[in-house]
Amino acid sequence: QQPVQSPQAVILREGEDAVINCSSSKALYSVHWYRQKHGEAPVFLMILLKGGEQKGHEKISASFNEKKQQSSLYLTASQLSYSGTYFCGTGSSNTGKLIFGQGTTLQVKP
Amino acid sequence: DTGVSQDPRHKITKRGQNVTFRCDPISEHNRLYWYRQTLGQGPEFLTYFQNEAQLEKSRLLSDRFSAERPKGSFSTLEIQRTEQGDSAMYLCASNPSRPNTEAFFGQGTRLTVV
Repeated sequence: QQPVQSPQAVILREGEDAVINCSSSKALYSVHWYRQKHGEAPVFLMILLKGGEQKGHEKISASFNEKKQQSSLYLTASQLSYSGTYFCGTGSSNTGKLIFGQGTTLQVKP
Repeated sequence: DTGVSQDPRHKITKRGQNVTFRCDPISEHNRLYWYRQTLGQGPEFLTYFQNEAQLEKSRLLSDRFSAERPKGSFSTLEIQRTEQGDSAMYLCASNPSRPNTEAFFGQGTRLTVV
């Protein structure tokens, strides 16, 4: 079952904040966040695991609510380089296969 | 290490022709995945390999699609008798077989069926 992302699109000015949500109808084991710029490969942002562990290497924070089967990605003090399409992917415990949402397009303007 | 590479980057083919794409994963990665992405959508899982073994294939995948990973290194994805609906970006990703690790994506092969 594909996770549902909201909003579908966001337009921000530099320095503004944004939240992108990802909801699943199935129990979540892990949530993976990627950003994709036009014509480029998706780039890893963060993994959130059941139990609260997070792995990421960018100045982006996220939350994972197991009970609500939701994850949210928080982009603070946005920069022009944050523009792109953000995807959440729900992961299984043993294969690494991801089921991606439909994406949220973020545009940061000067 | 140059990351995941895919070849060709673009392919235009006539309906009914067969096409084959290649993916070279990061060398120490055991797992390799194929995804398909259409405009405005997230990547859709097609199939996955652990070393040379194909362990899962999407139920949505037509039998015109076949993938191999001989010797557990590079992988090929073949589409036979292409249809216009096969037009998409085909993405390859790889990661180590440790749990909960990031997947590294290639830049994809864009297929256009005319």
